Amino acid sequence: QVRLVESGGGLVKPGGSLRLSCVVSGFTFRDFYMSWIRQAPGKGLEWVSYISGTSGYIKYADSVRGRFTISRDNAKNSLYLQMSSLRAEDTAVYYCARDADPPLVYGMDVWGQGTTVTVSS
Amino acid sequence: QSALTQPPSVSAAPGQKVTISCFGGSSNIGNNYVSWYQQLPETAPKLLIYENNQRPSGIPDRFSASKSGTSATLDITALQTGDEADYYCGTWDSTLSIGVFGGGTKLTVL
Repeated sequence: QVRLVESGGGLVKPGGSLRLSCVVSGFTFRDFYMSWIRQAPGKGLEWVSYISGTSGYIKYADSVRGRFTISRDNAKNSLYLQMSSLRAEDTAVYYCARDADPPLVYGMDVWGQGTTVTVSS
Repeated sequence: QSALTQPPSVSAAPGQKVTISCFGGSSNIGNNYVSWYQQLPETAPKLLIYENNQRPSGIPDRFSASKSGTSATLDITALQTGDEADYYCGTWDSTLSIGVFGGGTKLTVL
């Protein structure tokens, strides 16, 4: 059974850091590109970042570039999003999704349940 | 403001058909395949359509989509109350090198 499970969300103060994880099962993780997508409360979906299977190709949305770092550990079937210099506008549910190259073109066909990040003092 | 433009809401009666539009530009929809997602209340998004008009296994043929130039459309026929959800289009912007979603369309089945 193909499954993605996010964790690591929580309440953090502005300027703080947080690391999200996404553990996958049911497919050969290293063969797939992966994306992070977020959804602010009451808002639409926003693509955040994307990483190739070998970590050789990485892209970020302008809103997070320089503050967020995507990475993966294929041996642990895990995807990560290191978030720093967090702002109130980063408050959102963060989803990981299985993707292809380029993102969204061939469809994000598997999604996690999401993890909530709240940035507030 | 989203890179792709969708109507904020659409509505129709059970059994009827609804069309959701998604407008973009030459760097995104005009040059790449489009995918569509359904997000039921309080759940994660789900892939409905990929490569403009392909349905993943398990998606009923009541859901269909097409692309023409820099716009795409999602059609839902024989509407059911269970189709009430937010629908998003998405693609890649080849100039900006970013993924882009539409702002989402809330479907109400009256």
